[in-house]
Amino acid sequence: GAVVSQHPSWVICKSGTSVKIECRSLDFQATTMFWYRQFPKQSLMLMATSNEGSKATYEQGVEKDKFLINHASLTLSTLTVTSAHPEDSSFYICSAGGLAGSYNEQFFGPGTRLTVL
Amino acid sequence: GQQLNQSPQSMFIQEGEDVSMNCTSSSIFNTWLWYKQEPGEGPVLLIALYKAGELTSNGRLTAQFGITRKDSFLNISASIPSDVGIYFCAGQLSGGNKLVFGAGTILRVKS
Repeated sequence: GAVVSQHPSWVICKSGTSVKIECRSLDFQATTMFWYRQFPKQSLMLMATSNEGSKATYEQGVEKDKFLINHASLTLSTLTVTSAHPEDSSFYICSAGGLAGSYNEQFFGPGTRLTVL
Repeated sequence: GQQLNQSPQSMFIQEGEDVSMNCTSSSIFNTWLWYKQEPGEGPVLLIALYKAGELTSNGRLTAQFGITRKDSFLNISASIPSDVGIYFCAGQLSGGNKLVFGAGTILRVKS
């Protein structure tokens, strides 16, 4: 099956610092990757859609200058939370799609727990 | 924005019982997906549905894509303790690749 990894699995940082989260598709090429955030006991909220080689498309209300997304290759997308603040603490999950024959499916990474002190 | 109404919000059942949960929407979806999420992990795809009326099984799980394309249900038969988790429905609009998620159903199983 399609495997998506995320790194790191958890991170604690000080307020004002930047944190980079990596999302990799391990056994397939993902033309599109998605970034979600999830607060405790809530559903997944789509932040942005990332297409390889082009700029990400952000959902309404998501600050593109704060959440920088780079999708430099078909197997790697990164999310950088810039100048993180405690309210950015959340569970960040990526997903990858574009698998041939299953283009409508999205396969999720294991998530990254971000805690900003 | 688009919304999916998922119910029930939570269930606490006896091991061996069958479980049913559903999602409805005012919008027509092209694809319905059901995911399970365990604490501290990402969602895992359980069943994908692509055609109105489609009924698909995956072991003890059965899901259907509603005829109107505005709803879907997931059934779990003979529940076991490892079924515990949060189940999410997700829909995909025609012509798009974004997913809209339901609020989730928390399943707890008493053994």
